[in-house]
Amino acid sequence: DAGVIQSPRHEVTEMGQEVTLRCKPISGHDYLFWYRQTMMRGLELLIYFNNNVPIDDSGMPEDRFSAKMPNASFSTLKIQPSEPRDSAVYFCASSLTSGSYEQFFGPGTRLTVL
Amino acid sequence: AQSVTQLGSHVSVSEGALVLLRCNYSSSVPPYLFWYVQYPNQGLQLLLKYTTGATLVKGINGFEAEFKKSETSFHLTKPSAHMSDAAEYFCAVSKRGSNYKLTFGKGTLLTVNP
Repeated sequence: DAGVIQSPRHEVTEMGQEVTLRCKPISGHDYLFWYRQTMMRGLELLIYFNNNVPIDDSGMPEDRFSAKMPNASFSTLKIQPSEPRDSAVYFCASSLTSGSYEQFFGPGTRLTVL
Repeated sequence: AQSVTQLGSHVSVSEGALVLLRCNYSSSVPPYLFWYVQYPNQGLQLLLKYTTGATLVKGINGFEAEFKKSETSFHLTKPSAHMSDAAEYFCAVSKRGSNYKLTFGKGTLLTVNP
């Protein structure tokens, strides 16, 4: 299996622009998680889905952030408009309900907002 | 609410020395406990986990951890450090019986000196 795939790996954009991060979970996994990692706040769970349905989005910082999962093999995290404080590494992870409680992480997208 | 405290944001050891990374949790009931490792510019990888059964769990790369309910701790150890162990280590908890919502500690950066 290819593991969790994220794109792009790096994104540099200017303040005010829309940013879309993409994630392909491991085939057959039914949970998908979006995390943000910064030096100041560490790893934060933003939102997670079960069977493509958002379960808990309480970690989404504000309305500028939105996430979708149109099917079992694809999810997006969108920031509109982006701000410099959104600069971080964004990770996607997936897991299987009947599995070992392990979350499998993608390589992350490093976002820089100028 | 659950929380995780990792004592020491940076630990430095000599090659061949004992590695001890500390993790304490706060939870109304014993949670599931995890240690993840993050190598530079990579996603997180599971080292080991405790869900039930034997309280001393062994993971990959020679690491092990012991769940001590009375101390609400899950410290990570390795008898002899190797240069390749240099990375950031995260302790995490999730609610027992669930397969979601990992809460991470702030992380401990392990440096191994030759």
